[in-house]
Amino acid sequence: KQEVTQIPAALSVPEGENLVLNCSFTDSAIYNLQWFRQDPGKGLTSLLLIQSSQREQTSGRLNASLDKSSGRSTLYIAASQPGDSATYLCAVSVYNQGGKLIFGQGTELSVKP
Amino acid sequence: NAGVMQNPRHLVRRRGQEARLRCSPMKGHSHVYWYRQLPEEGLKFMVYLQKENIIDESGMPKERFSAEFPKEGPSILRIQQVVRGDSAAYFCASSLDRVNSPLHFGNGTRLTVT
Repeated sequence: KQEVTQIPAALSVPEGENLVLNCSFTDSAIYNLQWFRQDPGKGLTSLLLIQSSQREQTSGRLNASLDKSSGRSTLYIAASQPGDSATYLCAVSVYNQGGKLIFGQGTELSVKP
Repeated sequence: NAGVMQNPRHLVRRRGQEARLRCSPMKGHSHVYWYRQLPEEGLKFMVYLQKENIIDESGMPKERFSAEFPKEGPSILRIQQVVRGDSAAYFCASSLDRVNSPLHFGNGTRLTVT
């Protein structure tokens, strides 16, 4: 059974710092891994999708890596800003159950001005 | 291009009533997913539909819950005889295809059962 774990559960950093969020999963048989952002009381915004054959994806100040064999992904946020404060969720698309995402519990990020 | 639209945003029901949650996917998307987020818990998969067909309902409670995605109109998640434990945020997502495209989420419906 696929399980997704995110560490740390919460993180507080001063503005301008670079930071790394971690995600691990137990079964490497995945189609893809996605990183989302969720603001309080809102839905999820897709940030990056990494296919199982890819190693990383970049969008602006965000870079996500995937090491499928070790069951790990990281989300790197460069030069953090207060507007980056949100909960970050990673999710894996389970092989042979296409489209079904298994989510981690999220990392709650607070960037202090 | 409107995103995934869910309504209502907030829904209050008394125990025993029915709740109907609606979801209009992004234009061109025929794959719809429903997820539930309970207080202090993560997002849990409920059901995956593709136009008129239920593809995977492994996350749906066996009783009182049903979902449909008719040929015309929005997808509906229906909860009969609601109980307090059904209070949660229900999110709908849609995608262009089954495995290669990202999921786009709506803002959710927050159901409160009194």
